[in-house]
Amino acid sequence: DQQVKQNSPSLSVQEGRISILNCDYTNSMFDYFLWYKKYPAEGPTFLISISSIKDKNEDGRFTVFLNKSAKHLSLHIVPSQPGDSAVYFCAASGYGGATNKLIFGTGTLLAVQP
Amino acid sequence: DSGVTQTPKHLITATGQRVTLRCSPRSGDLSVYWYQQSLDQGLQFLIQYYNGEERAKGNILERFSAQQFPDLHSELNLSSLELGDSALYFCASSVGTSGGAGGSYNEQFFGPGTRLTVL
Repeated sequence: DQQVKQNSPSLSVQEGRISILNCDYTNSMFDYFLWYKKYPAEGPTFLISISSIKDKNEDGRFTVFLNKSAKHLSLHIVPSQPGDSAVYFCAASGYGGATNKLIFGTGTLLAVQP
Repeated sequence: DSGVTQTPKHLITATGQRVTLRCSPRSGDLSVYWYQQSLDQGLQFLIQYYNGEERAKGNILERFSAQQFPDLHSELNLSSLELGDSALYFCASSVGTSGGAGGSYNEQFFGPGTRLTVL
Protein backbone atom coordinates (compact mmCIF):
# COMPACT_ATOMS: atom_id res chain seq x y z
CA ASP A 1 0.00 0.00 0.00
CA GLN A 2 1.71 3.15 -1.26
CA GLN A 3 0.75 5.87 1.20
CA VAL A 4 2.76 8.56 -0.57
CA LYS A 5 2.56 8.70 -4.34
CA GLN A 6 4.44 10.60 -6.97
CA ASN A 7 2.63 9.75 -10.18
CA SER A 8 5.07 11.43 -12.55
CA PRO A 9 8.28 9.41 -12.85
CA SER A 10 9.92 12.20 -14.83
CA LEU A 11 9.57 15.85 -15.79
CA SER A 12 11.47 17.94 -18.32
CA VAL A 13 11.54 21.74 -18.07
CA GLN A 14 13.38 24.54 -19.84
CA GLU A 15 15.88 26.58 -17.87
CA GLY A 16 14.26 29.67 -16.37
CA ARG A 17 10.75 28.20 -16.40
CA ILE A 18 8.78 26.87 -13.47
CA SER A 19 9.07 23.24 -12.37
CA ILE A 20 6.07 21.77 -10.57
CA LEU A 21 6.44 18.42 -8.86
CA ASN A 22 3.38 16.77 -7.38
CA CYS A 23 2.75 14.37 -4.54
CA ASP A 24 -0.39 12.73 -3.17
CA TYR A 25 -0.88 10.95 0.11
CA THR A 26 -3.58 8.75 1.55
CA ASN A 27 -2.96 8.74 5.30
CA SER A 28 -4.78 11.62 7.01
CA MET A 29 -2.57 11.13 10.09
CA PHE A 30 0.43 12.57 8.26
CA ASP A 31 1.13 16.02 9.64
CA TYR A 32 4.55 16.92 8.32
CA PHE A 33 5.79 16.78 4.76
CA LEU A 34 9.24 17.12 3.29
CA TRP A 35 10.95 17.24 -0.08
CA TYR A 36 14.34 15.69 -0.60
CA LYS A 37 16.59 16.03 -3.61
CA LYS A 38 18.89 13.23 -4.71
CA TYR A 39 21.79 13.22 -7.13
CA PRO A 40 23.19 9.92 -8.44
CA ALA A 41 25.64 8.19 -6.08
CA GLU A 42 24.66 10.49 -3.21
CA GLY A 43 22.22 10.30 -0.34
CA PRO A 44 19.02 12.37 -0.34
CA THR A 45 19.43 16.00 0.72
CA PHE A 46 16.73 17.83 2.63
CA LEU A 47 15.23 20.63 0.56
CA ILE A 48 12.12 22.11 2.17
CA SER A 49 9.32 21.06 4.49
CA ILE A 50 5.84 22.06 5.57
CA SER A 51 3.73 21.42 8.61
CA SER A 52 0.07 20.49 8.19
CA ILE A 53 -0.95 23.67 10.00
CA LYS A 54 0.33 25.68 7.03
CA ASP A 55 -0.60 25.69 3.37
CA LYS A 56 2.55 27.25 1.98
CA ASN A 57 6.23 27.45 2.80
CA GLU A 58 8.79 29.31 0.78
CA ASP A 59 12.58 29.17 0.72
CA GLY A 60 14.28 31.09 -2.05
CA ARG A 61 13.40 29.56 -5.39
CA PHE A 62 11.53 26.69 -3.71
CA THR A 63 7.92 26.80 -2.54
CA VAL A 64 5.87 23.92 -1.19
CA PHE A 65 2.08 24.05 -1.23
CA LEU A 66 -0.13 21.79 0.85
CA ASN A 67 -3.81 21.09 0.16
CA LYS A 68 -4.97 18.98 3.09
CA SER A 69 -8.50 18.48 1.83
CA ALA A 70 -7.15 17.02 -1.39
CA LYS A 71 -4.25 15.26 0.37
CA HIS A 72 -1.95 16.81 -2.16
CA LEU A 73 1.28 18.75 -2.04
CA SER A 74 3.43 20.29 -4.69
CA LEU A 75 6.92 21.70 -5.00
CA HIS A 76 7.46 24.73 -7.22
CA ILE A 77 10.92 25.68 -8.40
CA VAL A 78 11.19 29.13 -9.96
CA PRO A 79 13.27 29.78 -11.96
CA SER A 80 14.52 26.30 -12.76
CA GLN A 81 18.26 25.88 -13.25
CA PRO A 82 20.25 23.03 -14.84
CA GLY A 83 21.75 22.27 -11.41
CA ASP A 84 18.25 21.42 -10.20
CA SER A 85 18.31 18.29 -12.36
CA ALA A 86 17.96 15.43 -9.88
CA VAL A 87 15.43 13.00 -8.43
CA TYR A 88 12.98 14.65 -6.05
CA PHE A 89 11.35 12.62 -3.30
CA CYS A 90 8.28 13.63 -1.38
CA ALA A 91 8.11 12.27 2.18
CA ALA A 92 5.60 12.33 5.01
CA SER A 93 5.64 11.83 8.75
CA GLY A 94 3.20 11.97 11.65
CA TYR A 95 3.06 9.50 14.44
CA GLY A 96 2.14 11.66 17.40
CA GLY A 97 5.73 12.31 18.34
CA ALA A 98 6.64 8.68 18.94
CA THR A 99 8.85 8.65 15.89
CA ASN A 100 9.70 10.90 12.99
CA LYS A 101 10.25 8.06 10.53
CA LEU A 102 9.51 9.04 6.95
CA ILE A 103 7.32 7.46 4.31
CA PHE A 104 8.70 8.29 0.88
CA GLY A 105 7.20 8.48 -2.56
CA THR A 106 8.91 6.79 -5.50
CA GLY A 107 10.49 9.99 -6.77
CA THR A 108 10.31 12.23 -9.83
CA LEU A 109 13.32 12.72 -12.08
CA LEU A 110 13.56 16.39 -13.01
CA ALA A 111 15.59 17.35 -16.06
CA VAL A 112 16.17 21.06 -16.60
CA GLN A 113 17.24 21.73 -20.18
CA PRO A 114 19.65 24.65 -20.81
CA ASP B 1 28.56 16.55 3.06
CA SER B 2 25.75 15.69 5.50
CA GLY B 3 28.10 14.55 8.26
CA VAL B 4 26.65 11.03 8.18
CA THR B 5 29.14 8.38 7.11
CA GLN B 6 28.45 4.90 5.82
CA THR B 7 30.81 2.04 5.12
CA PRO B 8 31.40 0.27 2.90
CA LYS B 9 30.37 2.23 -0.18
CA HIS B 10 29.94 -0.90 -2.27
CA LEU B 11 29.48 -4.52 -1.27
CA ILE B 12 29.27 -7.51 -3.56
CA THR B 13 28.44 -10.87 -2.09
CA ALA B 14 26.73 -14.16 -2.85
CA THR B 15 23.34 -15.54 -1.95
CA GLY B 16 23.17 -17.08 1.48
CA GLN B 17 25.90 -14.87 2.88
CA ARG B 18 25.78 -12.39 5.76
CA VAL B 19 26.94 -8.78 5.65
CA THR B 20 27.17 -5.85 8.04
CA LEU B 21 26.63 -2.25 7.04
CA ARG B 22 27.93 0.49 9.28
CA CYS B 23 26.69 4.01 9.91
CA SER B 24 28.12 6.88 11.95
CA PRO B 25 25.60 9.66 12.64
CA ARG B 26 26.29 13.38 12.66
CA SER B 27 27.97 14.63 15.79
CA GLY B 28 25.31 15.20 18.43
CA ASP B 29 22.56 13.23 16.70
CA LEU B 30 20.96 10.57 18.87
CA SER B 31 18.60 9.02 16.35
CA VAL B 32 19.60 6.73 13.51
CA TYR B 33 17.39 5.39 10.72
CA TRP B 34 17.89 2.77 8.05
CA TYR B 35 16.18 2.90 4.66
CA GLN B 36 16.31 0.57 1.67
CA GLN B 37 16.00 1.75 -1.93
CA SER B 38 15.44 -1.04 -4.43
CA LEU B 39 15.34 -0.56 -8.20
CA ASP B 40 12.49 1.75 -9.21
CA GLN B 41 11.36 2.04 -5.62
CA GLY B 42 11.27 4.92 -3.23
CA LEU B 43 13.09 4.70 0.04
CA GLN B 44 11.50 2.15 2.35
CA PHE B 45 11.87 2.71 6.07
CA LEU B 46 13.42 -0.27 7.84
CA ILE B 47 14.15 0.64 11.44
CA GLN B 48 14.96 3.51 13.80
CA TYR B 49 17.09 3.65 16.92
CA TYR B 50 17.16 6.44 19.44
CA ASN B 51 20.00 6.64 21.95
CA GLY B 52 20.62 2.92 21.78
CA GLU B 53 17.03 1.74 21.87
CA GLU B 54 14.77 0.63 19.05
CA ARG B 55 12.14 3.34 18.45
CA ALA B 56 10.25 2.27 15.34
CA LYS B 57 10.17 -0.62 12.94
CA GLY B 58 9.09 -0.68 9.32
CA ASN B 59 8.98 -3.45 6.74
CA ILE B 60 12.21 -5.01 7.92
CA LEU B 61 12.66 -8.69 7.15
CA GLU B 62 13.36 -11.11 9.97
CA ARG B 63 16.67 -11.92 8.26
CA PHE B 64 17.70 -8.32 8.92
CA SER B 65 18.65 -6.87 12.28
CA ALA B 66 20.19 -3.69 13.55
CA GLN B 67 21.62 -2.16 16.66
CA GLN B 68 22.93 1.15 17.92
CA PHE B 69 26.01 1.13 20.08
CA PRO B 70 26.92 3.34 23.08
CA ASP B 71 29.00 5.59 20.81
CA LEU B 72 25.80 6.00 18.74
CA HIS B 73 27.05 4.35 15.58
CA SER B 74 24.73 1.78 14.12
CA GLU B 75 25.07 -1.47 12.22
CA LEU B 76 22.58 -3.17 9.94
CA ASN B 77 23.07 -6.93 9.65
CA LEU B 78 21.66 -8.73 6.63
CA SER B 79 21.75 -12.52 6.67
CA SER B 80 20.79 -15.40 4.36
CA LEU B 81 21.02 -12.93 1.53
CA GLU B 82 18.80 -13.30 -1.52
CA LEU B 83 19.04 -11.74 -4.97
CA GLY B 84 16.15 -9.45 -4.09
CA ASP B 85 18.14 -7.90 -1.26
CA SER B 86 20.30 -6.09 -3.81
CA ALA B 87 19.62 -2.42 -3.16
CA LEU B 88 20.95 0.85 -1.87
CA TYR B 89 20.88 1.05 1.89
CA PHE B 90 20.82 4.50 3.40
CA CYS B 91 21.39 5.56 6.95
CA ALA B 92 20.06 8.86 8.25
CA SER B 93 20.40 10.65 11.56
CA SER B 94 18.62 13.39 13.43
CA VAL B 95 19.02 15.22 16.71
CA GLY B 96 15.87 13.85 18.22
CA THR B 97 12.82 11.96 17.23
CA SER B 98 10.06 14.50 17.46
CA GLY B 99 7.84 15.10 14.53
CA GLY B 100 4.51 16.49 13.54
CA ALA B 101 2.61 19.70 13.55
CA GLY B 102 2.50 20.00 17.30
CA GLY B 103 6.20 20.56 17.73
CA SER B 104 9.41 21.08 15.88
CA TYR B 105 10.34 18.38 13.43
CA ASN B 106 13.79 16.89 13.56
CA GLU B 107 14.90 16.69 9.95
CA GLN B 108 16.85 13.63 8.94
CA PHE B 109 20.24 13.89 7.28
CA PHE B 110 21.25 11.06 4.99
CA GLY B 111 24.54 9.34 4.40
CA PRO B 112 25.83 8.51 0.91
CA GLY B 113 24.53 4.95 1.08
CA THR B 114 25.91 1.45 0.67
CA ARG B 115 25.21 -0.31 -2.60
CA LEU B 116 24.71 -4.01 -1.95
CA THR B 117 24.85 -6.43 -4.85
CA VAL B 118 23.92 -10.05 -4.21
CA LEU B 119 25.01 -12.45 -6.95
